[in-house]
Amino acid sequence: AQSVTQPDIHITVSEGASLELRCNYSYGATPYLFWYVQSPGQGLQLLLKYFSGDTLVQGIKGFEAEFKRSQSSFNLRKPSVHWSDAAEYFCAVGDTGKLIFGQGTTLQVKP
Amino acid sequence: NAGVTQTPKFRILKIGQSMTLQCTQDMNHNYMYWYRQDPGMGLKLIYYSVGAGITDKGEVPNGYNVSRSTTEDFPLRLELAAPSQTSVYFCASSSDFLPDTQYFGPGTRLTVL
Repeated sequence: AQSVTQPDIHITVSEGASLELRCNYSYGATPYLFWYVQSPGQGLQLLLKYFSGDTLVQGIKGFEAEFKRSQSSFNLRKPSVHWSDAAEYFCAVGDTGKLIFGQGTTLQVKP
Repeated sequence: NAGVTQTPKFRILKIGQSMTLQCTQDMNHNYMYWYRQDPGMGLKLIYYSVGAGITDKGEVPNGYNVSRSTTEDFPLRLELAAPSQTSVYFCASSSDFLPDTQYFGPGTRLTVL
């Protein structure tokens, strides 16, 4: 069955430091992959998505992600984290029209 | 342009009570979805709709019902509330199936006591 694993439940980084959030998926075909962010008390907002073409995807708010088929990964990166990036981040894979989400990674940003 | 709106924001129910969670979108999207989010978990799909009059079950449909009489509205009905339905409920919409972007509402936090 299709699944998404986010190995890190909680990550803390210092403001200005680089960030990488890990995402591994299990899917038989070429996947549609997504990263969403959820700020406290808010709904989910799409950061970026991959469905074909260039494996390095640029998103909003300075985020990027790289699709690596050989590693079944779609890790999210940001070169310099801002305090406003503190939120919960969800990786998801698209399966026959539906999204399957990972359990999420909570990002805390230290001043 | 409000996007996806949900009411109420918060609700406390007693076991066995019923309620309807409202969801409205103003983007003329054909596809609408209901998810639930439990603490420490990702979102799980409850029901979805591909257009007015057409609905289908998702991963966790038991204990819920939906209807889609208009393009804009996609209410979620809980008939006999149980503590296991304590969760945050999100409605979403998209203009097409994946990889089209799903737009999410702010959520409804439901507690069943």
